[in-house]
Amino acid sequence: TQLLEQSPQFLSIQEGENLTVYCNSSSVFSSLQWYRQEPGEGPVLLVTVVTGGEVKKLKRLTFQFGDARKDSSLHITAAQPGDTGLYLCAGGSHSGYALNFGKGTSLLVTP
Amino acid sequence: GAGVSQSPSNKVTEKGKDVELRCDPISGHTALYWYRQSLGQGLEFLIYFQGNSAPDKSGLPSDRFSAERTGGSVSTLTIQRTQQEDSAVYLCASSLKGTSEYEQYFGPGTRLTVT
Repeated sequence: TQLLEQSPQFLSIQEGENLTVYCNSSSVFSSLQWYRQEPGEGPVLLVTVVTGGEVKKLKRLTFQFGDARKDSSLHITAAQPGDTGLYLCAGGSHSGYALNFGKGTSLLVTP
Repeated sequence: GAGVSQSPSNKVTEKGKDVELRCDPISGHTALYWYRQSLGQGLEFLIYFQGNSAPDKSGLPSDRFSAERTGGSVSTLTIQRTQQEDSAVYLCASSLKGTSEYEQYFGPGTRLTVT
């Protein structure tokens, strides 16, 4: 099993602050995906990064894939209460279909 | 169009009873996945279907767990003789094709509580 370690596990910040969460592995992934999950719902895909060194932006969210394709980060600028949720990274497994998920970063943004 | 739906949304059962969890994937999606999400454990892969076939059952935690898919659509996950450690949220996902490059769309999950 290719393990994905996410940090921090929990993060509580105030509206307007910036934050970065990390997803690290000792394995190389062909791609990594970031999901956000809200209580009572399933994860929703935010972005897929494929190329080493790739940077993708989604409004105030910036995703980066490490050059060696072993790690990724998610940076949120000027966090809003609507950003509250569980952020999960996932990588393709050796099987080619199942996803290996990290345990997630639980983010709380207070007004 | 409709997303992935799961039923029931919540299930409370007594230890030792059998339960069935249902998943309705997005129409036209050939691949279907079951995951389990336990507190502090992240999402754990259980089983993958391509059409009605399950080429990979390696994630099923014990022989009390089984799943089937009929008509290339609806899937049922059955847990026999439930144990307290089976308590978790069971998530179903579907994708257009069965490779990880295709986005997996998740249902809202079934929260199973075994008392």
